[in-house]
Amino acid sequence: EVQLVESGGGLVQPGGSLRLSCAASGFTFGNYWMHWVRQAPGKGLVWVSRINSDGSSISYADSVKGRFTISRDNAKNTLSLHMNSLRGEDTAVYFCARVRPYFDSWGQGTLVTVSA
Amino acid sequence: EVVLTQSPATLSLSPGQRATLSCRASQNVSSYLAWYQQKPGQAPRLLIYDTSIRATGIPARFSGSGSATDFTLKISSLEAEDFAVYYCQQRTIWPPTFGQGTKVDIK
Repeated sequence: EVQLVESGGGLVQPGGSLRLSCAASGFTFGNYWMHWVRQAPGKGLVWVSRINSDGSSISYADSVKGRFTISRDNAKNTLSLHMNSLRGEDTAVYFCARVRPYFDSWGQGTLVTVSA
Repeated sequence: EVVLTQSPATLSLSPGQRATLSCRASQNVSSYLAWYQQKPGQAPRLLIYDTSIRATGIPARFSGSGSATDFTLKISSLEAEDFAVYYCQQRTIWPPTFGQGTKVDIK
């Protein structure tokens, strides 16, 4: 069974940093592109970032470019999102998702709250 | 980026009724459009991809159609577990984008 489990969310002050992790199991993690998608409270889904299967190709939404860094460790079956210079508008549930080539598996999400 | 506009924002129906949800794209996305279902507190679930192909385990009461800029998700006969928010998503033009969602609630 495919499982994606996010962790690392929490309350952070504006300008602060946070690192999210996504632990994958039940599939060959290193064969898949992985993405982060976020959802602000009561709002819709917004794509954030993606990384290809070996980590050599990365993309970001304009809203997070220069502040967020996606990475992966295929030996540990883990996807990460380093978030710096956090703003109030970054408050959201962050989901990791496998793409094949649609978002066919999702984690349960981890809530990031940016507030003073 | 491609803007996906879903309508209506809310659809109030009774169990057993038919639901018709619309997704309109600001540019031609060919047939590379998917639909997701999301229930409160849960992650989205892939229902339909490439416009009309049901994902694994999705019941036949869900069907998708359309092409280019106009797409439709139909639920032939609503069951209790179908009341949720539905999102469309395109993958043709980078970056991938989602519609704002249609909430199907109980009348």
